[in-house]
Amino acid sequence: GAVVSQHPSRVICKSGTSVKIECRSLDFQATTMFWYRQFPKQSLMLMATSNEGSKATYEQGVEKDKFLINHASLTLSTLTVTSAHPEDSSFYICSARDRPSADTQYFGPGTRLTVL
Amino acid sequence: AQSVTQLGSHVSVSEGALVLLRCNYSSSVPPYLFWYVQYPNQGLQLLLKYTTGATLVKGINGFEAEFKKSETSFHLTKPSAHMSDAAEYFCAVSDPPLTGGGNKLTFGTGTQLKVEL
Repeated sequence: GAVVSQHPSRVICKSGTSVKIECRSLDFQATTMFWYRQFPKQSLMLMATSNEGSKATYEQGVEKDKFLINHASLTLSTLTVTSAHPEDSSFYICSARDRPSADTQYFGPGTRLTVL
Repeated sequence: AQSVTQLGSHVSVSEGALVLLRCNYSSSVPPYLFWYVQYPNQGLQLLLKYTTGATLVKGINGFEAEFKKSETSFHLTKPSAHMSDAAEYFCAVSDPPLTGGGNKLTFGTGTQLKVEL
């Protein structure tokens, strides 16, 4: 149980285009999903917390208009990188928990974004 | 604010030897502590966690960790390393759920474990 998927696993796009990454909880309903960014050889940095049916809460320094998050259902959250630039190239990982009282986050396999 | 320090960005052990990955934390409230493992180009897999109760926790793949409040540590150990243990290991801390911290995870910088023959 507690499986989280991400799609796509890899994406290459041209500078200036927008890219959407999907995060799905496959066997549970995720009341909260988290989006992280990981640069090579570095740790995960929380970008935003996404609660179903409400606006995402962004961490300090993360541009809301740049990284659009939508959590439209209890099994799906999307991250859209708008007008992507090479500096947005990174590994994006989502996680989910199944209830507010849950102490564990379940992580997706990640999406490698490369912006040319 | 919470923080996690992982001493040693790279650790190398021989197959069959003891694995010890160090983690120290800072937290203003009783912490929840986690160890995750990450294989190349993959997401994170939970190895084990400490929330409350017994301070020695056992996880998957033979790993265990001990919460030592007096030392603010949560070191990860495995008695005998296997080649398949080679990966990146992350220690993380969060506030208890439903508290002001919102159950956000703060990660350490990671330790790359290399297992040699």
